Amino acid sequence: DTQMTQSPSTLSASVGDRVTITCRASRSISSWLAWYQQKPGKAPKLLIYKASSLESGVPSRFSGSGSGTEFTLTISSLQPDDFGTYYCQQYNTDWTFGQGTKVEIK
Amino acid sequence: EVQLVESGGGLVQPGGSLRLACAASGFTVSNNYMSWVRQAPGEGLEWVSIIYTGGSTYYADSVRGRFTVSRDNSKSTVYLQMYSLRPEDTAVYYCVRVLSPEHLVGDYWGQGTLVTVSS
Repeated sequence: DTQMTQSPSTLSASVGDRVTITCRASRSISSWLAWYQQKPGKAPKLLIYKASSLESGVPSRFSGSGSGTEFTLTISSLQPDDFGTYYCQQYNTDWTFGQGTKVEIK
Repeated sequence: EVQLVESGGGLVQPGGSLRLACAASGFTVSNNYMSWVRQAPGEGLEWVSIIYTGGSTYYADSVRGRFTVSRDNSKSTVYLQMYSLRPEDTAVYYCVRVLSPEHLVGDYWGQGTLVTVSS
């Protein structure tokens, strides 16, 4: 199984800050990685797929990068609506999710 | 508008069975891969199963042999039949439409249905 490890587990940032979340895979997954945002009581929302492709309708302040085993999700200027938990997901072999990164607005 | 509506969740005793249904609208179920993902209370996301357009099915190790995914194209509905349920199967179960055969990610998710396995 491919394990996915996210860091940090929690982060607190101010509106306008640049925020970066890291996801590491236990083996190479090429670029088969997605990012989701989940708000309390709601289903996850797809943000990024194939490591850096922005899903339709997702604001351009979200971006993804990386390949192989190390990936990042960047929010260029944090907005109040960006609170929630972010998950990475590998789809190189089956699906595995990271444990999540909770983003709080200061 | 794409919509996925899950039903069938509830309280079941350990060892019991339950069938979840996912009613799809706004797209053709037969043309899309469909998946199930679950989330235990306060925990992260766990992939459960996927069904391809050709009917091939795949399962997480934790449910293989106990869960079965199927599809009724005439009813635009995907099912998850769950047997031999365990307390650790307690979770919100989400029905997920897969973006494409190349990109096995969930572009649309249902609101989820809660399954509680407890005596």
